[in-house]
Amino acid sequence: SQQGEEDPQALSIQEGENATMNCSYKTSINNLQWYRQNSGRGLVHLILIRSNEREKHSGRLRVTLDTSKKSSSLLITASRAADTASYFCATDDRGSTLGRLYFGRGTQLTVWP
Amino acid sequence: GAGVSQSPSNKVTEKGKDVELRCDPISGHTALYWYRQSLGQGLEFLIYFQGNSAPDKSGLPSDRFSAERTGGSVSTLTIQRTQQEDSAVYLCASSSTYLMGHPRELFFGEGSRLTVL
Repeated sequence: SQQGEEDPQALSIQEGENATMNCSYKTSINNLQWYRQNSGRGLVHLILIRSNEREKHSGRLRVTLDTSKKSSSLLITASRAADTASYFCATDDRGSTLGRLYFGRGTQLTVWP
Repeated sequence: GAGVSQSPSNKVTEKGKDVELRCDPISGHTALYWYRQSLGQGLEFLIYFQGNSAPDKSGLPSDRFSAERTGGSVSTLTIQRTQQEDSAVYLCASSSTYLMGHPRELFFGEGSRLTVL
């Protein structure tokens, strides 16, 4: 399947440190998105990167995309306790006419005060 | 409404009973998705609507699962003869019209947590 896979499954850091999460996927994509999910809540869109982009920034977020390796990374700089959440990557499928987005299992980030 | 609304937020049912989960998408959003999230797991795609039609229903796990959308708005996910393995959070999301190759952000509801005893 096209499902993305995040790595690591869990990450625990101190406030102020940087957090890096990785995502790998299987087929060619048009774009890749990162979402965040607080415990017991729905997912919230964070950032989107197109297949012809290599890096994108939004506030404390930095996303990279390497289509040759079919991988992406999400960096959260100067983390805060409020960043504690699960983070998911989502990809489409360039070879498909359908509108499905494929999500991975997520990385559970815990930021300790 | 301002966001995607799902009801009920929590549902506890007995094995063998039917349940209906409702999703009210953001006004004007033509695309609607249902995903299932089991404890500690990722999101499992169930079905996708564009308007009232479902071009991709390949993720429905069995014929006990069905979904419909009327008026290009509200969608209902029905699970018949529920089983314990159906226990999960059912998430609904909506987005603007899907154009192949064009990115669109999904807006998620808070989910309906289903517990089958």
